[in-house]
Amino acid sequence: GAVVSQHPSRVICKSGTSVKIECRSLDFQATTMFWYRQFPKQSLMLMATSNEGSKATYEQGVEKDKFLINHASLTLSTLTVTSAHPEDSSFYICSAQGGPSPLHFGNGTRLTVT
Amino acid sequence: AQSVTQLDSQVPVFEEAPVELRCNYSSSVSVYLFWYVQYPNQGLQLLLKYLSGSTLVKGINGFEAEFNKSQTSFHLRKPSVHISDTAEYFCAVRNNAGGTSYGKLTFGQGTILTVHP
Repeated sequence: GAVVSQHPSRVICKSGTSVKIECRSLDFQATTMFWYRQFPKQSLMLMATSNEGSKATYEQGVEKDKFLINHASLTLSTLTVTSAHPEDSSFYICSAQGGPSPLHFGNGTRLTVT
Repeated sequence: AQSVTQLDSQVPVFEEAPVELRCNYSSSVSVYLFWYVQYPNQGLQLLLKYLSGSTLVKGINGFEAEFNKSQTSFHLRKPSVHISDTAEYFCAVRNNAGGTSYGKLTFGQGTILTVHP
């Protein structure tokens, strides 16, 4: 079946550095990708919706300059957390959708900022 | 706009016992409804979905859910749970305007199901 690959699964970085997370659709073309953030023991909060070849649409309260999203191809979207701080530590999950097909989730990235 | 409420944050149950995880939603438009399961440090796996038709929906791993429009509920049930069902379960909704694309989901707070031997 369709698979979404998210990389890396875990990353530890120092405060002030930037981290890039990749989300790839492996056997389908993802016209839309979604980025979620999940705090410990909480639900998933949608951060942004990314459409291939256009600018991402950010949810209210999400800093677009801090969380840079690029969806340059139909199989790859990236989320870059710029100038990361400890409060950015979280579990980030992407999901991908190709036309009318179901939504598929990646396995998430655990970001720890020290 | 929609909202989803999962009434129980944690549900402990013994192996082979039945379980029900409750989900209520609020929406001004018709919705599609979903249940997802999340194992530790992993993404979400779709258990089942309600789009239309029969209100009783059967999913993977022996789970089923019933859509009740009058009560705006979509409770998840399993008649006999296993240790391997221990995980966090999320109810989610999406308004059904725009066809069958599943897109932007609104999630509930999650219910941690713990199955004890």
